[in-house]
Amino acid sequence: DGGITQSPKYLFRKEGQNVTLSCEQNLNHDAMYWYRQDPGQGLRLIYYSQIVNDFQKGDIAEGYSVSREKKESFPLTVTSAQKNPTAFYLCASSIAGQKSFYGYTFGSGTRLTVV
Amino acid sequence: GEDVEQSLFLSVREGDSSVINCTYTDSSSTYLYWYKQEPGAGLQLLTYIFSNMDMKQDQRLTVLLNKKDKHLSLRIADTQTGDSAIYFCAETKNNAGNMLTFGGGTRLMVKP
Repeated sequence: DGGITQSPKYLFRKEGQNVTLSCEQNLNHDAMYWYRQDPGQGLRLIYYSQIVNDFQKGDIAEGYSVSREKKESFPLTVTSAQKNPTAFYLCASSIAGQKSFYGYTFGSGTRLTVV
Repeated sequence: GEDVEQSLFLSVREGDSSVINCTYTDSSSTYLYWYKQEPGAGLQLLTYIFSNMDMKQDQRLTVLLNKKDKHLSLRIADTQTGDSAIYFCAETKNNAGNMLTFGGGTRLMVKP
């Protein structure tokens, strides 16, 4: 079955460490997205990519970095510059370019905690 | 302010109907969506409506769209405890391909 997989489900980071969250999809979607969700809050866009080897900053890109070397993969690195990284991170994918009713397909999320 | 707005919280009794409301700003939105998020999980697409429709019904779910007022609602009939979740509405942005703008989410609590 096609889908989008995030790993790990839970991640613990020490102060000053960089950590990378994985997001893989086999839906043949062109576009991929990273969102951050804080408790009781909505979704905030971190980065998105509409095509391989290209990505754009979202609303809260500071302290994060991404790469898009393969269509299937869009890893997110939370750097030590991100001062408050504890949150729930959601990855999504979609068909890019033309509008369609498909919307986004979401992964199951990674909960990152600073220890 | 946000492009898409929702009330934060709704509490209903099991068996009652729930109505979750959403207002949006982009009058050229092509599709509008409702997503459901259960605790600790990702978002799941519940339903969508094309902008030339006024209503869409899918089993217990009814979506109403008032384009004049830019108002979208989701009605859940015979609400069950399993419907307790956060519900997000979303719209497609004009000239932004398939990029969605999400509301802040409405937490639905269903009391037995």
